[in-house]
Amino acid sequence: GENVGLHLPTLSVQEGDNSIINCAYSNSASDYFIWYKQESGKGPQFIIDIRSNMDKRQGQRVTVLLNKTVKHLSLQIAATQPGDSAVYFCAITGGFKTIFGAGTRLFVKA
Amino acid sequence: EPEVTQTPSHQVTQMGQEVILRCVPISNHLYFYWYRQILGQKVEFLVSFYNNEISEKSEIFDDQFSVERPDGSNFTLKIRSTKLEDSAMYFCASKPEIAGGTGELFFGEGSRLTVL
Repeated sequence: GENVGLHLPTLSVQEGDNSIINCAYSNSASDYFIWYKQESGKGPQFIIDIRSNMDKRQGQRVTVLLNKTVKHLSLQIAATQPGDSAVYFCAITGGFKTIFGAGTRLFVKA
Repeated sequence: EPEVTQTPSHQVTQMGQEVILRCVPISNHLYFYWYRQILGQKVEFLVSFYNNEISEKSEIFDDQFSVERPDGSNFTLKIRSTKLEDSAMYFCASKPEIAGGTGELFFGEGSRLTVL
């Protein structure tokens, strides 16, 4: 079965620093690996995804890295801002479902 | 910008009562989902729905749960006899397509269910 986990439950960074959030997964038969952001009281919001045949993808201030050898996914946020404070979930998609990991809460210190 | 809307935002019910949570997915989307999130925990998959039938469901989605798309716009989740442990935030999500698309799900703001 699928299993998606996070290395750390919380991460605290200084405003302006880079943030790295990590995720491990067990199911290799996944089509997409995705990062979602969830602010308090809201639904998950898509940040960026990467297909299983890629190892790096960049967006605006965010980069996702996929290492299929060790089944590891990471999200890098450049120049972290107070508005980045939220819970971040990694998720894997296969077939008709997306399975979420446990989440990392990112605190940004001013 | 199109969005997924959910009603009610918060429902309080007595244990054993039936609850219906409603969702209006984005209009041109083809795939529909329900997830739940117990306070402080991760987002758990319940069920996916495509072409007017369930595509996949989790172990959580037992006989007490059902989904329906009664018309061209609404997508509902029914819990027949609520239990205390059904208290959670329920999220509806939709997606336009699989082939050629991304993995992105579009989530609503959620319906908070409190079972007393």
